[in-house]
Amino acid sequence: AQSVTQLGSHVSVSEGALVLLRCNYSSSVPPYLFWYVQYPNQGLQLLLKYTTGATLVKGINGFEAEFKKSETSFHLTKPSAHMSDAAEYFCAVSFWSNDYKLSFGAGTTVTVRA
Amino acid sequence: GAVVSQHPSRVICKSGTSVKIECRSLDFQATTMFWYRQFPKQSLMLMATSNEGSKATYEQGVEKDKFLINHASLTLSTLTVTSAHPEDSSFYICSARSSGGLRNPEAFFGQGTRLTVV
Repeated sequence: AQSVTQLGSHVSVSEGALVLLRCNYSSSVPPYLFWYVQYPNQGLQLLLKYTTGATLVKGINGFEAEFKKSETSFHLTKPSAHMSDAAEYFCAVSFWSNDYKLSFGAGTTVTVRA
Repeated sequence: GAVVSQHPSRVICKSGTSVKIECRSLDFQATTMFWYRQFPKQSLMLMATSNEGSKATYEQGVEKDKFLINHASLTLSTLTVTSAHPEDSSFYICSARSSGGLRNPEAFFGQGTRLTVV
């Protein structure tokens, strides 16, 4: 069975500080990994994805994530938080063998302090 | 990224009536569409997967007769909540992916529909 664990349901950072959101997965086959962001009463927007190749992936809005197979992790970072980064963030995993269905983590709420 | 449009964004209906939600891929052909339900402060729960021209595959515990899904074309899928009850009130989100294969496994999401049954 595959699963996604996001450590920390709520992260609070100061504006300009590092944002670090943790995501670990479990699977027996190579995963595709994603980070999505959701603003209130909206759908999800893809921040970045890992499919194959370079393990450090860069996404939109200054976010990046690194796939570490040995640690089964895909943590999301942004060097300097902006007020507009306040939102809900979801880590997700999918597999070609499972019709690319997304399995989501529980989500992490990010608040940014002025 | 690709654009998925979901309509309506909000709907209020009376208990016992049916509500249809549309999900359209605007600039790509969506061979597969997914429907999710999201409760407040929670993650997304996959309800069903639909492939164009085929019957939808429902997740365990999801009533297929209550949540009717139609994926009649490569750009449109609909979810109909039949005989809605207050407990069906929720945020419903669709997503769509093309047949891009291994290089493009990502799905793109609609804006969501807030359903309130009174």
